[in-house]
Amino acid sequence: GENVEQHPSTLSVQEGDSAVIKCTYSDSASNYFPWYKQELGKGPQLIIDIRSNVGEKKDQRIAVTLNKTAKHFSLHITETQPEDSAVYFCAVKLVFGAGTILRVKS
Amino acid sequence: DAGVTQSPTHLIKTRGQQVTLRCSPKSGHDTVSWYQQALGQGPQFIFQYYEEEERQRGNFPDRFSGHQFPNYSSELNVNALLLGDSALYLCASSFGLAGGNKNIQYFGAGTRLSVL
Repeated sequence: GENVEQHPSTLSVQEGDSAVIKCTYSDSASNYFPWYKQELGKGPQLIIDIRSNVGEKKDQRIAVTLNKTAKHFSLHITETQPEDSAVYFCAVKLVFGAGTILRVKS
Repeated sequence: DAGVTQSPTHLIKTRGQQVTLRCSPKSGHDTVSWYQQALGQGPQFIFQYYEEEERQRGNFPDRFSGHQFPNYSSELNVNALLLGDSALYLCASSFGLAGGNKNIQYFGAGTRLSVL
């Protein structure tokens, strides 16, 4: 089955800085890569996704990049704000990464 | 338009008991998936229901069973509860089978199950 690894497990940044979270996967046939944000007391919410026919996708301050050859994809958050503090998960097929706790210090 | 709703929000059971969790999908969705999320971990896929049948299953024992009704709502049943079953149980709905495609999953807020 699919194996998904996510790094780092925790990330602290100063408000306004950038944050990058990386996810690696094992099945080269995988072709859809979503990122989720989970706030306290809520379920995960999709924030951005990418398909294997593109290398990068942006949505305002959030972007996802994909390297199919190396089998990894990354979430990039620019100009971080306190409300970006949450747990972020990558997923491949129905397998989720272990999560990254992002803390944005103001 | 209501999103995914789950009930109850919290539940306390003792070892050996049985529990039933309920999920109503987002309007227009026909597929329901269930996940177990232990504290500090990512969601783990239990199974997925479409057209009232279990279509895909994760690595969970058959103590975990489910059902989907004609109105697309779903139940998760866990028998012979163990202490290790304590977790947040998440329901996600989608239009069409999810996983490996662009059928977006929408999650409910979950049911927090504590087994004593």
